Amino acid sequence: GAVVSQHPSRVICKSGTSVKIECRSLDFQATTMFWYRQFPKQSLMLMATSNEGSKATYEQGVEKDKFLINHASLTLSTLTVTSAHPEDSSFYICRPGTSGRYEQYFGPGTRLTVT
Amino acid sequence: GIQVEQSPPDLILQEGANSTLRCNFSDSVNNLQWFHQNPWGQLINLFYIPSGTKQNGRLSATTVATERYSLLYISSSQTTDSGVYFCAVYDHAGNNRKLIWGLGTSLAVNP
Repeated sequence: GAVVSQHPSRVICKSGTSVKIECRSLDFQATTMFWYRQFPKQSLMLMATSNEGSKATYEQGVEKDKFLINHASLTLSTLTVTSAHPEDSSFYICRPGTSGRYEQYFGPGTRLTVT
Repeated sequence: GIQVEQSPPDLILQEGANSTLRCNFSDSVNNLQWFHQNPWGQLINLFYIPSGTKQNGRLSATTVATERYSLLYISSSQTTDSGVYFCAVYDHAGNNRKLIWGLGTSLAVNP
């Protein structure tokens, strides 16, 4: 299967700081990237969809100025949580779009804790 | 939009037991997938199964699209089967192939 990496796997930051999460598709090109947030014992919630070279599309209720998404290349997308607050503590997961394939591959996730 | 419901929400098994997880969906779909999220958070494809039955080792899945449900069977469960099992379908609207997720079944297999 495809390999997707995320970095960092775990991060603790202070309230008010910004955190950048990287997602890389290591063996295929992803024109689309989906970013999810998952709270404990809950399902995945889609935050935004990005397309390489264009602005991301955010789901209702997700602040685009707070969660900055950059999809500068076909193998790298980043999610920056700006001015993080404790309520942003969550598990963030990326999923490259797999056009033409039915299988879906996910990054291993980044656990963010804001103190 | 499409609603996806899973049952049971939680399940505890003794190693070696069999189980059936269910996924109901509210509208006709031409795609459905089962995923396993291990205790460390990694999500893995189990089956892409819009209809019919597929088997992979101790796991098998059946989707009856006309009746809007899918079943995941786990036989001879092992402790490594623990985690959360999600089913998901694609949203018809738009072209970005968003996945609509169920809330999952949390499975704990005890030795």
